[in-house]
Amino acid sequence: NAGVTQTPKFQVLKTGQSMTLQCAQDMNHEYMSWYRQDPGMGLRLIHYSVGAGITDQGEVPNGYNVSRSTTEDFPLRLLSAAPSQTSVYFCATKRPKGQTPNTEAFFGQGTRLTVV
Amino acid sequence: AQKVTQAQTEISVVEKEDVTLDCVYETRDTTYYLFWYKQPPSGELVFLIRRNSFDEQNEISGRYSWNFQKSTSSFNFTITASQVVDSAVYFCALSGANFGNEKLTFGTGTRLTIIP
Repeated sequence: NAGVTQTPKFQVLKTGQSMTLQCAQDMNHEYMSWYRQDPGMGLRLIHYSVGAGITDQGEVPNGYNVSRSTTEDFPLRLLSAAPSQTSVYFCATKRPKGQTPNTEAFFGQGTRLTVV
Repeated sequence: AQKVTQAQTEISVVEKEDVTLDCVYETRDTTYYLFWYKQPPSGELVFLIRRNSFDEQNEISGRYSWNFQKSTSSFNFTITASQVVDSAVYFCALSGANFGNEKLTFGTGTRLTIIP
């Protein structure tokens, strides 16, 4: 039981490059989300999904795309990286299938992304 | 809209002192959940506690205790007899109780440093 797995752990991109941050979970959680963590700003929600095939925008969605084709995976795509997207990214999941939303979130180990 | 405020950006105390981390929240929901997470220097996010809005009982777990007061919209966290291992960033978070508003809103965090 791996929990929430994020890859890669570290990444350096050049401005304008694209990439996908991967998030996979094996806990059969319905809810998955992506946050970015910047100094002094806490964790801010980028996108989230309440189940396969359903996604929605969070607080800071610009510059990011997501899709949810399976329960297990929730990739985050940067279409054209910008220095402002330098951050630590966390994937979080919660709510096993069939349960109500009163569960805590489980986080991946984070991806440290630098855009130069 | 939901909002969580952690007014203390950084706190330093000498080992064995008690310390309280403040959390104030805003929500229009009548049912909601409050959380505390710990982020040690290694960077992962560790779940500490979940509290339902209809349960105002204080909770104690070892050296940790939580004081939930609905009247002041506060959910404060106290560490008794602090230890160096308690040094971390602590986040307070809030989520709704329905499938449509279960996303977590985080405060900006309090960096706690325990001085040996």
